[in-house]
Amino acid sequence: NAGVTQTPKFQVLKTGQSMTLQCAQDMNHNSMYWYRQDPGMGLRLIYYSASEGTTDKGEVPNGYNVSRLNKREFSLRLESAAPSQTSVYFCASRQGISGNTIYFGEGSWLTVV
Amino acid sequence: GENVEQHPSTLSVQEGDSAVIKCTYSDSASNYFPWYKQELGKGPQLIIDIRSNVGEKKDQRIAVTLNKTAKHFSLHITETQPEDSAVYFCAASMSGGGSNYKLTFGKGTLLTVNP
Repeated sequence: NAGVTQTPKFQVLKTGQSMTLQCAQDMNHNSMYWYRQDPGMGLRLIYYSASEGTTDKGEVPNGYNVSRLNKREFSLRLESAAPSQTSVYFCASRQGISGNTIYFGEGSWLTVV
Repeated sequence: GENVEQHPSTLSVQEGDSAVIKCTYSDSASNYFPWYKQELGKGPQLIIDIRSNVGEKKDQRIAVTLNKTAKHFSLHITETQPEDSAVYFCAASMSGGGSNYKLTFGKGTLLTVNP
């Protein structure tokens, strides 16, 4: 039972480089989320997708783009990485209308130098 | 939008003692309050949740209380064990589907249980 799977687990980028974080869930969930976690800041919502075909900005969307590729997959793209984007990124999913529990992936550690 | 404040930021207890973590929220429309536990190097995992039509909920050594009037909710862990050591997050949201569901997290509490 994989749940929410994120890749890569670790990545080092140079300032200005681009990359995409991949996320897939196998629970047939409708909603998917990207959070970032920084020391002392808790978990902050970057973007979310309430259902397949829709995406919306969260609390800290600047510098990021997302794609809800299909019901299973939700990717996060950094077009021009900045040191301020050094963080741990978590993808999460939720069933939707009948289920409130959010399930998180294991995280992706990103360092921008 | 919703704002969730969590206290304390760190908490150290002796094994067997109780631990209490408190959160306040700002949006009176919020009606779903989960608590997550995050172990080192892992993603957060739901440990207990409560809805606004309930004042208290228990699951073995863990309990959560909610005071809607005061807009605060608390996590209580009794008979703490070393494996309870982790970062705990409270959160608040409106339940249901669609774009209304955006879980807002507190900043976390690092709980250390000393043997």
